Amino acid sequence: QVQLQESGPGLVKPSGTLSLTCAVSGGSIRSSNWWSWVRQSPGKGLEWIGEIYDGGATNYNPSLKSRVTISVDNSKNQFSLKLTSVTAADTAVYYCAKVGTSSWYVDHWGQGILVTVSS
Amino acid sequence: DIQMTQSPSSLSASVGDRVTITCRASQSISSSLNWYQQKRGKAPKVLIYGASILESGGPSRFSGSGSGADFTLTISSLQPEDFATYFCQQSYSFPYTFGQGTKLEIK
Repeated sequence: QVQLQESGPGLVKPSGTLSLTCAVSGGSIRSSNWWSWVRQSPGKGLEWIGEIYDGGATNYNPSLKSRVTISVDNSKNQFSLKLTSVTAADTAVYYCAKVGTSSWYVDHWGQGILVTVSS
Repeated sequence: DIQMTQSPSSLSASVGDRVTITCRASQSISSSLNWYQQKRGKAPKVLIYGASILESGGPSRFSGSGSGADFTLTISSLQPEDFATYFCQQSYSFPYTFGQGTKLEIK
């Protein structure tokens, strides 16, 4: 059973960079899957941020594309999210997720990490 | 972006009730529609994918239907553990988008 665990700072200053890592256990990140980031805030609900394939291909939400980078570290079996120039609007619970193999849906979620943007 | 609109936004029902939640897409999305359940303080959990396919291990009282732009999630007989928030999500085109959620509360 694949498990995912987010880690990173819970507080980021405005104009700074949000950096999160998702550790994957119970399976290899190199398993022909898409790995995704989704965030949830009271104001904007659930928002898909982007995804990465185990070969490195990425897709990003156009609304965030200029500020987002998703990368993978196969040696550590983890993938990461970087979001630059953050504002209070980026305050949210951030989830890492594994996408299903037969269809695009999230079949495994991390527990989520609250990131607050504040000085 | 494809807009996903759920109705109702909230719903009160009793154990044993049959409940239907609707999700409408702003354009046709074929059958690329997923339903998730989220309980307080937890990550969402997929119930239905591909509009009507029950996720492995999911309770059979949950069913999904629809194609094109109009979809429904039905719970045939509400159980106490079903009181939660439900979201639809389209996976037809980028960016993947979610509905605003339907909060199902105990009457």
